[in-house]
Amino acid sequence: EAGVVQSPRYKIIEKKQPVAFWCNPISGHNTLYWYLQNLGQGPELLIRYENEEAVDDSQLPKDRFSAERLKGVDSTLKIQPAELGDSAVYLCASSARGAGELFFGEGSRLTVL
Amino acid sequence: KNEVEQSPQNLTAQEGEFITINCSYSVGISALHWLQQHPGGGIVSLFMLSSGKKKHGRLIATINIQEKHSSLHITASHPRDSAVYICAVVGGSNYKLTFGKGTLLTVNP
Repeated sequence: EAGVVQSPRYKIIEKKQPVAFWCNPISGHNTLYWYLQNLGQGPELLIRYENEEAVDDSQLPKDRFSAERLKGVDSTLKIQPAELGDSAVYLCASSARGAGELFFGEGSRLTVL
Repeated sequence: KNEVEQSPQNLTAQEGEFITINCSYSVGISALHWLQQHPGGGIVSLFMLSSGKKKHGRLIATINIQEKHSSLHITASHPRDSAVYICAVVGGSNYKLTFGKGTLLTVNP
């Protein structure tokens, strides 16, 4: 069975440009997370979905970040406009339920120039 | 104070040594995860615990719910075990994940 699939793996953009990341969780997983990870740091939650509902988006910078999970399966995370400080790895993770085993994607590494 | 504290932050060992990484937390939880991340790599789930002890190969994870403490042990450590080990707890009521800052393990040959 395929794991959590993320794309693109790498993205380089200039500041003020938009960028979007896509995540396909493991089939049947209701819970989907987007995390931001800076070099040498642990993951920081951006948003958590239960099916199509965003149940925790308190850490999402809503002035420039947006996310959606239409139909409760795939999810997209968008940044518009990107800033230099947004350079990081964006991780997607899923679990069958809120307290289930976690599965992480390989991450999308963003570099903003 | 971080809700999840890991110790040590950095650990250097010689190949073959027995390794222990500790995780203490201050909130009620429904589960605890031990995760592994190799440098530049993705995050892999090692264990999910809600009580007792689990073993997988050379890795053993234990949890004491009353003491709010978990340990990850590596027996007969190997250089390929060099990675960051992260403890994450799942909130008991809201399933919120809280991560520790990680322990960087370096195993020298």
